[in-house]
Formats: sequence, structure tokens, C-alpha cells
Amino acid sequence: AQKITQTQPGMFVQEKEAVTLDCTYDTSDPSYGLFWYKQPSSGEMIFLIYQGSYDQQNATEGRYSLNFQKARKSANLVISASQLGDSAMYFCAMSRHANAGNNRKLIWGLGTSLAVNP
Amino acid sequence: KAGVTQTPRYLIKTRGQQVTLSCSPISGHRSVSWYQQTPGQGLQFLFEYFSETQRNKGNFPGRFSGRQFSNSRSEMNVSTLELGDSALYLCASSSGTAKNQPQHFGDGTRLSIL
Repeated sequence: AQKITQTQPGMFVQEKEAVTLDCTYDTSDPSYGLFWYKQPSSGEMIFLIYQGSYDQQNATEGRYSLNFQKARKSANLVISASQLGDSAMYFCAMSRHANAGNNRKLIWGLGTSLAVNP
Repeated sequence: KAGVTQTPRYLIKTRGQQVTLSCSPISGHRSVSWYQQTPGQGLQFLFEYFSETQRNKGNFPGRFSGRQFSNSRSEMNVSTLELGDSALYLCASSSGTAKNQPQHFGDGTRLSIL
């Protein structure tokens, strides 16, 4: 069965420092995708970054990068130069690519709460 | 470009009642998915609609149903409400079904059952 595990319920980081949020996944599918989303206290889920299982390079989007280690089944999110506005819940999610009908059905971790201290 | 719009933002109901939640996707997006978010279970997939057809369904009882209209707007209905249905219901849209396409979420409808 597909599963996402985020082992850090809460994290603290000083402003301007980098932080790594952990995500491990379990799947037997040869092709899949991994997403990271941010959810501020307002509730809206904001897309951050995507990594496909066959992508050769780790994904990067501005201050966000994904440390993808396929053999270890991990897809950690790295936020560089943390800002106060980064304080939020962060979710890792996985999609299956076995067929197009399944790839909208995301499987989610329970999230990590990140607090950025001034 | 307007984002995903969910109405209402907050809703209070009592057990046994039914409720309808609405979602207007980003203009041009044809795929709409619904998720339930609770502190204990996290986000759980309810169903997905594409071009008015339900393409995928999660593991929820038949009390949870949905539909999509020709303009891609979607509604979700929950009948015979139970206390455990209290949750944030999130709607997400995407322009297609390509595997690397992210879903764009609305602010959610927070449903409280008394």
C-alpha cells in the first residue's frame, strides 16, 4: 500500500537559516510523483515543488529544493534562507502514475509544523 | 486569474442534516478533486471529477457524493451528517491530468457538526 511518512510533527528554525523537512514514502509503483504543499493558518494549500520518480535531477523552485533519494525512498524539502512567512504546516504527498485516472488521487503525510523565529 | 473558490467558508450543522458544498475551479481547469482534512486522519481523498465524470473515488461511505457541472463547477453533498464529519473540506483543481501538474486548492469549507 502507498504511504507517506513525515516524522517531524514540529520544527523550529531561526530566520535566514536553512531547514530540512523529512518525507519518506512507500510504494511499489515504478512511476510516481512527489509534491510538497504549504498550508498557512488561513487554510489554503499552496503548491511548492514537484519531483517525478524518473526525473534525473532534484527539483528546485526558488528557495525550495527537493532532496530526492530514490533508493532510500525519501523526498526531503529544503528551505533556504527561512523567512517569517514560512511559518506554516508543510505536507508531502504522492501521486501514482500507473494510469492517468489515478494521478489526481494524492496520498498525504500528516504534515510538519514549521515555526520560524525572528 | 481568480483562484479556486469554495463556498461557504464556514458551516454549522446538526447531526442528521445534509449539506452541500460548492467549488468553482480556476478558469479553464477541468479536473476537480475533493479532500477531507481532520487533525487525526490528515488529508483524505474523497473523489475527483473530470469533464462531469467521476474518475476516482476514495474510501468514504455513500453518504458522501458529488457532481460536476458543464462549467466545471463542482458540488459535494454529505447526507445524514455525523459528528465525525466535522472537518475542513478542500477542493482542488487542475487543468488536466498530466502527472506533473499540481493541484490548486481553495481556502476550504470548515464544517462543524453539533
